[in-house]
Order: sequence, then C-alpha cells, then structure tokens
Amino acid sequence: DAGVIQSPRHEVTEMGQEVTLRCKPISGHNSLFWYRQTMMRGLELLIYFNNNVPIDDSGMPEDRFSAKMPNASFSTLKIQPSEPRDSAVYFCASSPGPLRQPQHFGDGTRLSIL
Amino acid sequence: AQSVTQLDSHVSVSEGTPVLLRCNYSSSYSPSLFWYVQHPNKGLQLLLKYTSAATLVKGINGFEAEFKKSETSFHLTKPSAHMSDAAEYFCVVSDYSGGYNKLIFGAGTRLAVHP
Repeated sequence: DAGVIQSPRHEVTEMGQEVTLRCKPISGHNSLFWYRQTMMRGLELLIYFNNNVPIDDSGMPEDRFSAKMPNASFSTLKIQPSEPRDSAVYFCASSPGPLRQPQHFGDGTRLSIL
Repeated sequence: AQSVTQLDSHVSVSEGTPVLLRCNYSSSYSPSLFWYVQHPNKGLQLLLKYTSAATLVKGINGFEAEFKKSETSFHLTKPSAHMSDAAEYFCVVSDYSGGYNKLIFGAGTRLAVHP
C-alpha cells in the first residue's frame, strides 16, 4: 500500500518567495495533519483537516501560512512570503478518522529559506 | 493538559546490549500513548501504542513498552540493540480535548548504537 506521499522532498528558495508543499494522504483516510519540526520547538501541529474541512488551525504561525484540501486525495501548505525562520522539516500525516489511530506520516519536506 | 517528558535527550549503547528510553506522561484521563521512531531524512514510524488494554505492549523490531500508572511512566525497552536501531525516538500522548486525536510529542531521544 502506498503511504503518505509528500513533495518536494527538499526545497531551497530565497526569502520572499512563495513556497508550496504538497501532500497525498493514504486512500480512505479522512483526517489529515500538517506538522512542522524544528530543533528549537520540536514537532508542532500546524493544522488538522477532517473530510477536507479545516477543523483546527490554531497552530498556524501567522497569516503568511495557509493550507487547503480541495479533495480527499490532496492537500497543500503554502507560505507567502517565506522567511528564513520558516526553515524546517514539514510533515504531513493521515489517519482513518479523527479519533482513530495511528497517524501515518510522510517522509517530509525539508525547507530551507535563504 | 496532556504532556510527555522524555528524560534523556541522548542515549548511547553498544550493539547487543539492552536499550532503555524513558518517558513520563501527564494526563487528566486514561491516556493513549505511543512511541514513534524517526530515522535520518525519514518520516515518523509507529513502533507501538498503548490504549488501555494490556500494560505491556509489544511493538515492531523487538521493542516493547510498559505502562505504569503508579509511576506515570511509559518506558521503551529492547533486550538487544542492533546498529539499525540508531535513530530518534519520540514518546507521544493523545489529547482528545479538541474532539480529535491531537498528538503531543516529547522532545525526542537520540539513540546511538556503537559496534
């Protein structure tokens, strides 16, 4: 079975540019999560979708960050404009339902903003 | 509020010796607890989970963890370390207060395995 698929795996861009990260959850999973991992703050939940609807976006750092889930098989996390402090590894995870376990993680996108 | 504390940021063992990674939790209700492993440049993989069934939980790759309510602990163990076990390990607790399974991660323990 295909797991959670994220693209790109690595992204290097200059400050001020728009960055779009992509995620394809496991088929049949209706809960999707975006996380950010940094040395300073560890793993943090950014946003949670259920049935393509954003339920909890309290972890989104600021208005420069936005996330969408136009259908059950695709989600994006966008940063515009990007800043050096956004450099991190961004993970997408999915689960069969909001109370169901476990969450299955993608391999992440390593983002570097110069 | 739900939280976990991993007591060691780094653990170093020799190949073939036992592994112990320590985790204490805080929970206002019966917790769901997990251990995840992260190998370099990879995502997080579930090792095992506790969801109020047996207190001794067996996971993949020979790992197991014991839930001890009296000590609020959920330590991860393996009888004999292998070189391939070198990775970062995260103790995780579920927070259901928002109506969904929100994972609260510990800071992680980096395990080094020496020949």
